[in-house]
Amino acid sequence: AQTVTQSQPEMSVQEAETVTLSCTYDTSENNYYLFWYKQPPSRQMILVIRQEAYKQQNATENRFSVNFQKAAKSFSLKISDSQLGDTAMYFCAFMKHVDAGGTSYGKLTFGQGTILTVHP
Amino acid sequence: GAGVSQTPSNKVTEKGKYVELRCDPISGHTALYWYRQSLGQGPEFLIYFQGTGAADDSGLPNDRFFAVRPEGSVSTLKIQRTERGDSAVYLCASSLMEREETADTQYFGPGTRLTVL
Repeated sequence: AQTVTQSQPEMSVQEAETVTLSCTYDTSENNYYLFWYKQPPSRQMILVIRQEAYKQQNATENRFSVNFQKAAKSFSLKISDSQLGDTAMYFCAFMKHVDAGGTSYGKLTFGQGTILTVHP
Repeated sequence: GAGVSQTPSNKVTEKGKYVELRCDPISGHTALYWYRQSLGQGPEFLIYFQGTGAADDSGLPNDRFFAVRPEGSVSTLKIQRTERGDSAVYLCASSLMEREETADTQYFGPGTRLTVL
């Protein structure tokens, strides 16, 4: 079974500064996908960024970028120029394909989350 | 609507009662998922629908939990004889699933917070 570990229960950062959230995972799969989701107090889970394991290039999305280290099974999220609106719980998630009911689909496993607070 | 919607937003019930939680996926999304998120934890998979059929229900904790998707769109998660331990946020997600073997991004609804007294 896959496990996803986020070792930082809480993080804080000053507005406009940079913060990095850690994530490690354990799997024997070679083909998989990794995601970071953001969950503000509204509970809406919002996709921040995704990474395909077969791609060596780290994904970037505006102020958000990842450092994907496949051999180390590490997938950290860097937020640059932090904004007050970035305050939320952040979840790292692992997806692999599973066969079920005659179909194949991507099954997500989430970490425990990191609460990020951006201070003015 | 533009996104996944879930109703009700909050549900308070008494131990032993029956509850239904509804999910409206993004229009055209054939895949639908239910997750349960306990306080301070990440979401945990409950069940996956492809069209009308529950292709993977391995995450349902016991036979008090059941979900349906009769017309391949709206889904209802049903919990019988609720227990205090069922208190959690129940999240629904949907994805396009254009082709198998693609890692379809799952889009989540705002969840239903269930409180069992």
